[in-house]
Amino acid sequence: GAVVSQHPSRVICKSGTSVKIECRSLDFQATTMFWYRQFPKKSLMLMATSNEGSKATYEQGVEKDKFLINHASLTLSTLTVTSAHPEDSSFYICSARFRGSLYNEQFFGPGTRLTVL
Amino acid sequence: AQSVTQLDSQVPVFEEAPVELRCNYSSSVSVYLFWYVQYPNQGLQLLLKYLSGSTLVKGINGFEAEFNKSQTSFHLRKPSVHISDTAEYFCAVSLSITGGGNKLTFGTGTQLKVEL
Repeated sequence: GAVVSQHPSRVICKSGTSVKIECRSLDFQATTMFWYRQFPKKSLMLMATSNEGSKATYEQGVEKDKFLINHASLTLSTLTVTSAHPEDSSFYICSARFRGSLYNEQFFGPGTRLTVL
Repeated sequence: AQSVTQLDSQVPVFEEAPVELRCNYSSSVSVYLFWYVQYPNQGLQLLLKYLSGSTLVKGINGFEAEFNKSQTSFHLRKPSVHISDTAEYFCAVSLSITGGGNKLTFGTGTQLKVEL
């Protein structure tokens, strides 16, 4: 149980285009999903917390107009990188937390490698 | 606010040898502690967690960790490593949801490299 999927696993796009990444909890309801960014050989940087049915909460320094997050259902959150540039190239990982969880245990997706040319 | 320190960025070890990956945390209140493993180009997989109760926690793949409140540590151990354990290991801490904790705070990670 507690499987989280991400799609696509890898995407290459041209500078200036927008890219959408999907995060799905396959076998549980996730009222809260998280989006992280990971640079090579670095730890995870929390970008935003996404709650179903409400606006995402962004971490300091993360541009909300550039990284659009939508959490339309209890099993799906999307991250759209708008007008992507080479500096947005990174590994993006989502995670999901059980509805009703008290411990903030998160289940992670396999990640999406974004390369902007 | 809570924080996590993983002092060792890399730990080389020979196959079948024991290993310990160190994790120290700081928090003024009770925390929950987690160890995650990340294989190349993959997401994070939960190895084990400490929520309450017994301070010795056993996880998957033969790993265990011991919560030491007085030393604010949560070191990860395995008595005999295998080549397949080569990966990045992250320690993470969280407050309880009811205590206002809504995030996992990660350490900087430790690269475990198992050699023949």
